[in-house]
Formats: sequence, structure tokens, C-alpha cells
Amino acid sequence: QKEVEQDPGPLSVPEGAIVSLNCTYSNSAFQYFMWYRQYSRKGPELLMYTYSSGNKEDGRFTAQVDKSSKYISLFIRDSQPSDSATYLCAMSVRRDDKIIFGKGTRLHILP
Amino acid sequence: DAGVTQSPTHLIKTRGQQVTLRCSPKSGHDTVSWYQQALGQGPQFIFQYYEEEERQRGNFPDRFSGHQFPNYSSELNVNALLLGDSALYLCASSLGGALGEKLFFGSGTQLSVL
Repeated sequence: QKEVEQDPGPLSVPEGAIVSLNCTYSNSAFQYFMWYRQYSRKGPELLMYTYSSGNKEDGRFTAQVDKSSKYISLFIRDSQPSDSATYLCAMSVRRDDKIIFGKGTRLHILP
Repeated sequence: DAGVTQSPTHLIKTRGQQVTLRCSPKSGHDTVSWYQQALGQGPQFIFQYYEEEERQRGNFPDRFSGHQFPNYSSELNVNALLLGDSALYLCASSLGGALGEKLFFGSGTQLSVL
């Protein structure tokens, strides 16, 4: 079993829809959880960062962490064509530790 | 404010050759990490350099080595290239040895091994 599992997609949704992206993980020691967005031919850029369980909201983005289920989610409200990208979940045990990435989910927002 | 810059952007090599990739960190950053991203996969941590020393290393063979210069720029060297080394190589910079949410990524070097 891989440490971090993420459905690669692609996921296609109409503009304006709510998007739900998810990851599961096996290492219960993970405490720091991140979501990165990666456009084609670009490096990843950090979208959300969460410590331990709970929710965090930033504009149209909401990150949720459920440590009891080893499950994290990213919700995108009012999705836009510019949100079309690959979304990578990532996590680490300690703040200064290497981060482990999921495979990424390719998202297409249809105008 | 210059972000993380990597060179070259694309590179084609043949099996058995050696390659050197370069990275200049974001202005004000002193730490560089290198990642390998194979097609359809997430980035995998290779190693981190801080204060000109390798601080952490991922599960990569000794064929992968690096260096950090006094101006904080860094090089990634790969010897005896294999077909499986074909990937996007990402450099990320941060401050004070930080990882996690403090990382800023460059656009990467696309390496093709034939």
C-alpha cells in the first residue's frame, strides 16, 4: 500500500460547480497536510496548508482533514476554467520533514 | 522579485551519460530541495541542501548527488543515466532549512534519457 493514495482522474466538471478532491493515507504519524496546484509545464504552487485535523478556508478553497479516517479533502466552490490543473495532496510527519506527495488529480473545468 | 529559476528547461541525454542541472533559489531564500517527478506521478524528494550541506535525503541511489554554493544556488548531478531517470526535475527553495508549506517551486528541467 502506498503511503498516499490519490485518484489520478481526469475529473471534468462544468463551470460554477463545486469540486471535491480527495486523498487517503496510511501513515498515522502524518500531521501536516498540504494541497498544491500544478499547471502544465510549471512547478507546483501551494494552495492550502493544514495542521492536524479540522477545516481551513481561503476564498473559494476549503481544506478538510479527518485524521481518524486518514482522509483529506479539498473543495473548490464556483469553479472557473482557470482552475483546470493537476491538484496534488502532500503531507509530512514534522514541519521540517520531507513531504510525501500523492500522484495528483487532473481537473478540467468545462466552460 | 525573482522566483526560483532552473536551467536548462529541457535536456536530452543518452544512457550512461552524466547530467548537471542548476537552480537559483528565490531571493532571500537559503535552502534548496530537489524533487523528481515522473510522468503521471507526484514529485519525489531527492535531497535538501542547507548551509552548503546535504541535510535530508530521500530514497535515491548514490548516482544522484548535489552541491550548494555560497550564494545558495545548487546543482543536481546524475551519473550513469538510466532510461528510468527520464522525468521533470523540480527545485524548490525555502528559508532556514524549512520544508512543507514554506517551499517555492521552480518550473523544472525536463530530462529525457534515450
